[in-house]
Amino acid sequence: NAGVTQTPKFRVLKTGQSMTLLCAQDMNHEYMYWYRQDPGMGLRLIHYSVGEGTTAKGEVPDGYNVSRLKKQNFLLGLESAAPSQTSVYFCASRGGLAGVNEQFFGPGTRLTVL
Amino acid sequence: QKEVEQDPGPLSVPEGAIVSLNCTYSNSAFQYFMWYRQYSRKGPELLMYTYSSGNKEDGRFTAQVDKSSKYISLFIRDSQPSDSATYLCAMRPDSWGKLQFGSGTQVVVTP
Repeated sequence: NAGVTQTPKFRVLKTGQSMTLLCAQDMNHEYMYWYRQDPGMGLRLIHYSVGEGTTAKGEVPDGYNVSRLKKQNFLLGLESAAPSQTSVYFCASRGGLAGVNEQFFGPGTRLTVL
Repeated sequence: QKEVEQDPGPLSVPEGAIVSLNCTYSNSAFQYFMWYRQYSRKGPELLMYTYSSGNKEDGRFTAQVDKSSKYISLFIRDSQPSDSATYLCAMRPDSWGKLQFGSGTQVVVTP
């Protein structure tokens, strides 16, 4: 099992450009999450999904959109990137019983917006 | 005020010492408590999981939850340089709720 994978690993954008971050999991998990991690701020939830075809807003959803067309994939889109979106983005997935299948995280995507 | 507070450190200890980490929280509804370890430039990985109050031990790691004080702790015995990482606490009110993370404590274990 590859677990949770994220594409790309690094990206530099100019202000106003758009991009999509891809998260894929091969554990048949129902729940998937997108977080951003900034120094001193910890992990903040952007959007999440409780199953294929569903999405919901998290703590900091503004400027981001998501889609979950397939159970194994969760896409995070930035329509018009801003310097404030410079961050490390982590995807996570979860399934099954509490404590047994807690959130598994991907390796992260480092995004810089100039 | 954040729901979960965690001292950012860094916490520097010599090899073999006991590392003591803690988080405080304000939401009395939290029932599920976790500790994640995050190595530099990597994703977090689950280290310990505890439901409700009490202690849990796994090898060199012990997690404690004191719900009456809204305080959780992680102890690492016989610390090793490989324990150098950022440790994040996380918690949620029910089995399927969203996790609330602390900001993480950086630990440095020196040989």
